[in-house]
Amino acid sequence: EAGVTQFPSHSVIEKGQTVTLRCDPISGHDNLYWYRRVMGKEIKFLLHFVKESKQDESGMPNNRFLAERTGGTYSTLKVQPAELEDSGVYFCASSIQGLGYEQYFGPGTRLTVT
Amino acid sequence: QQQVKQSPQSLIVQKGGISIINCAYENTAFDYFPWYQQFPGKGPALLIAIRPDVSEKKEGRFTISFNKSAKQFSLHIMDSQPGDSATYFCAASHNAGNMLTFGGGTRLMVKP
Repeated sequence: EAGVTQFPSHSVIEKGQTVTLRCDPISGHDNLYWYRRVMGKEIKFLLHFVKESKQDESGMPNNRFLAERTGGTYSTLKVQPAELEDSGVYFCASSIQGLGYEQYFGPGTRLTVT
Repeated sequence: QQQVKQSPQSLIVQKGGISIINCAYENTAFDYFPWYQQFPGKGPALLIAIRPDVSEKKEGRFTISFNKSAKQFSLHIMDSQPGDSATYFCAASHNAGNMLTFGGGTRLMVKP
């Protein structure tokens, strides 16, 4: 069974540019989460999809971040325009709806904004 | 406000020793406490988890101790091996499917 995949693995962009991160969850996982780890701090929650609907987006830092989940499959996280403080590692995780708490994480996308 | 506080930030242990990482939480609604292990270039992977109705859970060399009254839980790695060198995160959640709240992470190095 394939795990959670994320693309790209690394991205270096200039301040003011746009970047789109992609996450493909484990097949059959209705829950999809985005997290971010900045500068060696704790991993922080950004938002949670159940299928194609946003269940909780309380962790989204501001309106420069836009997350979508087309057809309840893969998800994209767009940052527009990127700021220096957006640098960090963005993780995606998925879990099975209704079967407990275990979340499976992808390898992350390391975003550097210069 | 950090709801889950983890210590130490880094830890060096000799091979065969015991590694101990501690976490404290604030939110009494939390009912699931996992530990994740992360190797460089990889995502966090679930190592072991506990619910508040038990005080200890053991899986191989890894043990979680849980103190509900003190709102603390800890990870013990017995007979630590160089292959255990990684970053460990404690986390907490309430209600299945909800977000995880993470501690700051502990970078463990096990010296041969």
